[in-house]
Amino acid sequence: DIQMTQSPSSLSAYIGDRVIITCRASQSIGRSLNWYRQKPGKAPNLLIYAASSLESGVPSRFSGSGSGTDFTLTISNLQPEDFATYYCQQSYHTLVTFGQGTKVEIE
Amino acid sequence: QVQLVESGGGVVQPGKSLRLSCAASGFTFSNYGMHWVRQAPGKGLEWVAVIWDDGSNEFYADSVKGRFTISRDNSKNTLYLQMNTLRAEDTAVYYCARINTVMVEYFFDYWGQGTLVTVSS
Repeated sequence: DIQMTQSPSSLSAYIGDRVIITCRASQSIGRSLNWYRQKPGKAPNLLIYAASSLESGVPSRFSGSGSGTDFTLTISNLQPEDFATYYCQQSYHTLVTFGQGTKVEIE
Repeated sequence: QVQLVESGGGVVQPGKSLRLSCAASGFTFSNYGMHWVRQAPGKGLEWVAVIWDDGSNEFYADSVKGRFTISRDNSKNTLYLQMNTLRAEDTAVYYCARINTVMVEYFFDYWGQGTLVTVSS
């Protein structure tokens, strides 16, 4: 299985901050990397697919980059609704795997 | 609008069985592969199983292989997860999710609201 490792596991930030979350794959996955946001008690929702493509309807303050094994999710101008947990997911292999999650909390 | 609605969760004793359903609407169900993903209380997301759009292929996480079976009825627009020989560690919210593809890349673009399965004596 392809292992996905996110860092940090949690972070604290202020409204308006720029936040960067990283995700590393245990082997090269090309650009087959997706990002999801999960608010408490809710299902995850797609933010970024194929490493850097913004899902329709997702605010432009979210951006993704990377290829191969190293990827980043950047949230510019953090908003109250962005305090949530973020997951990366590889879809390079049929047996998809998720990172362990990064919880973004209010400072 | 696309909707995925899970049902069938509940409290079940270890070793027993349960079948989850995911009713799809708002899209042509038979054109999309579907997954089950679960989340234990306070934990992260764990992929469980996938089935192709025509039901021709299915794959499982090692943690459920041989105990869980994913299936679908395209005439009823419904996805299923048959869970046998349940264990305490299967306690989780179970989500169904739709695959979408762009070029060669795929991702989960719609998720259901989840159904809670609690395995306890």
